[in-house]
Amino acid sequence: DGGITQSPKYLFRKEGQNVTLSCEQNLNHDAMYWYRQDPGQGLRLIYYSQIVNDFQKGDIAEGYSVSREKKESFPLTVTSAQKNPTAFYLCASSPFSTLDSPLHFGNGTRLTVT
Amino acid sequence: AQSVSQHNHHVILSEAASLELGCNYSYGGTVNLFWYVQYPGQHLQLLLKYFSGDPLVKGIKGFEAEFIKSKFSFNLRKPSVQWSDTAEYFCAVKTNAGKSTFGDGTTLTVKP
Repeated sequence: DGGITQSPKYLFRKEGQNVTLSCEQNLNHDAMYWYRQDPGQGLRLIYYSQIVNDFQKGDIAEGYSVSREKKESFPLTVTSAQKNPTAFYLCASSPFSTLDSPLHFGNGTRLTVT
Repeated sequence: AQSVSQHNHHVILSEAASLELGCNYSYGGTVNLFWYVQYPGQHLQLLLKYFSGDPLVKGIKGFEAEFIKSKFSFNLRKPSVQWSDTAEYFCAVKTNAGKSTFGDGTTLTVKP
């Protein structure tokens, strides 16, 4: 059954620690994305990758880093430099980055930093 | 840079009422337009999309949306809502750069 797997579902960290969120897809999609969802603010793009070994900053990339070493994996690291890391993080993919390709979403990871 | 504006943050309707959710976007080039829906406890999923051709597009569960290019709008409609339509709805635009930009979302509550 194809889809996007985000793990873990809930993640708790102490302030000052880096944390990596996992995103794996078995849809054979070329493009992958990370969004942050905050109440009343919709989804904001953090990073996206159109092909392996290449990625671009989104609208709110500061304090985050990513890698795309394999087509099926696009992990997101929330660094200690991110000023307000507590949020719901969504990973998505699409067959291509072309105009008409919709996004397929994972179930999200809720990160709480105290 | 593109932006998306959804007019209503929270809409409350009774069953069988008609629904229209507003969406306006700002971008000078070619875009594709999407509506996504997030039902309680479920992941975001595609409701419908506009790529080209007929500006009136139909999606799942009786939803439709009309693209009005002159108004930069892509409003979502449903003639008669059901309790099961309770969800959060997001409008999004995608550009040639491969980026999808979302609106802030509209929470729809349908009272039985």
